[in-house]
Amino acid sequence: GESVGLHLPTLSVQEGDNSIINCAYSNSASDYFIWYKQESGKGPQFIIDIRSNMDKRQGQRVTVLLNKTVKHLSLQIAATQPGDSAVYFCAVAGAGSYQLTFGKGTKLSVIP
Amino acid sequence: EAGVTQSPTHLIKTRGQQVTLRCSPISGHTSVYWYQQALGLGLQFLLWYDEGEERNRGNFPPRFSGRQFPNYSSELNVNALELEDSALYLCASSLGSNSNQPQHFGDGTRLSIL
Repeated sequence: GESVGLHLPTLSVQEGDNSIINCAYSNSASDYFIWYKQESGKGPQFIIDIRSNMDKRQGQRVTVLLNKTVKHLSLQIAATQPGDSAVYFCAVAGAGSYQLTFGKGTKLSVIP
Repeated sequence: EAGVTQSPTHLIKTRGQQVTLRCSPISGHTSVYWYQQALGLGLQFLLWYDEGEERNRGNFPPRFSGRQFPNYSSELNVNALELEDSALYLCASSLGSNSNQPQHFGDGTRLSIL
């Protein structure tokens, strides 16, 4: 089966700095990866996804990097803002599987 | 476009009771997923429905069950409630099951067991 681990349960960054949130997965056959943001009292909100045939994908102020060699996934947030304060989850699915396995989440706190 | 909607938002029950939670997916989405988010444990996969059929279930006892209706809405039923069932129950939907598609979540039902 798949397991998804996280390097840091909490992260504090200064407003305006870049944030990097990391995730590690166990199954080399995993081929779909998603990042979610969960604010207090709300459900997870889709941020960005990437498939295993790519190693980088960019969105608005966010970039996801995938290193299949070491089974590592990261989310970079540029110019972090107070509204970015939330818990961030990575989720992974295997080839042909539609079931996501979630990491435990990193709580990002932005210092004004 | 309306997102995934769940009802009720909060619920308080006592041990041994039964509960039904409801979910309406995003219009056009045929797959519905249920997750349990207990404090400090992340999201644990419960059930996956697609086109009215149960496609997979997570490592939960049989007292957790559900169904999907012809309009793709879904119910999660939990029988014989236990204290450890206290959690946020999240529903997500996605565009079918032909390829990996992002799951979009509702804001959940907060279930408290006294």
